[in-house]
Formats: sequence, structure tokens, C-alpha cells
Amino acid sequence: DIQMTQSPSSLSASVGDRVTIACRASQSISTCVNWYQQKPGKAPKLLINAAASLQSGVPSRFSGSGSGTEFTLTISSLQPEDFATYYCQQCYTTPLTFGGGTKVEIK
Amino acid sequence: EVQLVESGGGLVKPGGSLRLSCAASGFTFTNVWMNWVRQAPGKGLDWVGRIRSKTNGGTTEYAAPVEGRFTISRDDSKNTLYLQMNSLKTEDTAVYYCAMDLKRLDGSDFDLWGRGTLVTVSS
Repeated sequence: DIQMTQSPSSLSASVGDRVTIACRASQSISTCVNWYQQKPGKAPKLLINAAASLQSGVPSRFSGSGSGTEFTLTISSLQPEDFATYYCQQCYTTPLTFGGGTKVEIK
Repeated sequence: EVQLVESGGGLVKPGGSLRLSCAASGFTFTNVWMNWVRQAPGKGLDWVGRIRSKTNGGTTEYAAPVEGRFTISRDDSKNTLYLQMNSLKTEDTAVYYCAMDLKRLDGSDFDLWGRGTLVTVSS
């Protein structure tokens, strides 16, 4: 199985900060990585697919990059509504696997 | 409206069984590969398994922790996905989501999720 390792597991940041979340795959997965945002009590929401393709309606302050085994989700200027938990997911092969999550909290 | 609605969750004893349903509406269910994803309380997301469309054989794949105990099926006439869970363990306690790739239908970019249904396995 492909392991997805996210870091950090949590972070504290202020509104307006630039935030970067990393995700490492245990083997090369090309650009087959998705990023999700989840708020408490809600289903995950797809933000980015194929490592860097922003979903319709997702603010442009979100961006993704990477290929192979190293991937990054960046929020250029953190907004109050961005405080949530973020997950990466590899779509390269089954079993599909998710990273452990990064909780973004208010500093 | 395009949506998925899960039902069937509840409290069950270890070793027991439960069947979850996921009712789909607003799109052509027949052509879609459907997935189950679960989330234990306070934990991350875990893929449970998926079922292909009938035109792609209707075959299933499962994550190792549920292989042999869980069965995914579909009734295209009812636009409904099922998850039959047998020999339940306490570690199966989770919110269970159905999810799908609305753009590619057979993809794994989950842009449509249900609200989830809670399964609690406890004596």
C-alpha cells in the first residue's frame, strides 16, 4: 500500500499568514494527489485534484504543487473560514490512501 | 439537486451486522463508480472500498481491514449503494461516507460526498 505522510499534524497561524502543508508518498505517484478540507461535523470538500488543479469555486489563495513523492498545499493568505483540517489523498492505485491530516488552528 | 444521502447507521454489538445505504439523486447513478470512506471519532479518513459500474463489471475492491467482512453492492434500479458489514469490531466505529467522482464517474477525485452515517460498535 502507498503510505501518505502529512506534516505538520497541526499548526497555529494568524489571519493573513501564508501556510504550507506537506505530503509525502511512500512511492512515486506522478501527480495523482488530491487535497481536501474538512470542517468539524462536515464531509470533506475537494479543493485540488491532480496535485495542482483548483476545483471550481475554491478561492485562488489555495494552490497545490508537486510530483513524484513530494506534494504541497499552500494557502497564500489565511482567512477565518480556512481554519479546518486538511487531508491529502493518493489516487494512483487502490487501496486509495489518505494522509493523517493537518489541523490548522487560530493563533 | 445532486446529492448522496447515507442511512442505516446505529449501535451494534461486536460480532453483529449492519447494512448501510447511500441514496443517490440528480445524476446518472448507473455509470458511476461508488466508494465508501470512513472516519473514526477524532481520526483521519480511511477508504473502505468501491464498486465499479455494471458496464465495467460491477466488481468490488476493499481495504485490507474490512476484506472478507464487508460487502459493497448496488441497485441501479433504486439509485442506491449498499455496505453490508458483518463480524463488526469495535475498531469499525466510525462515520461512514459514500463518495464519488462526479466529473470522471470512474475516478477517485471525490468531489461529491454524503453527510455520513455513524456506526458505533460497542457492547
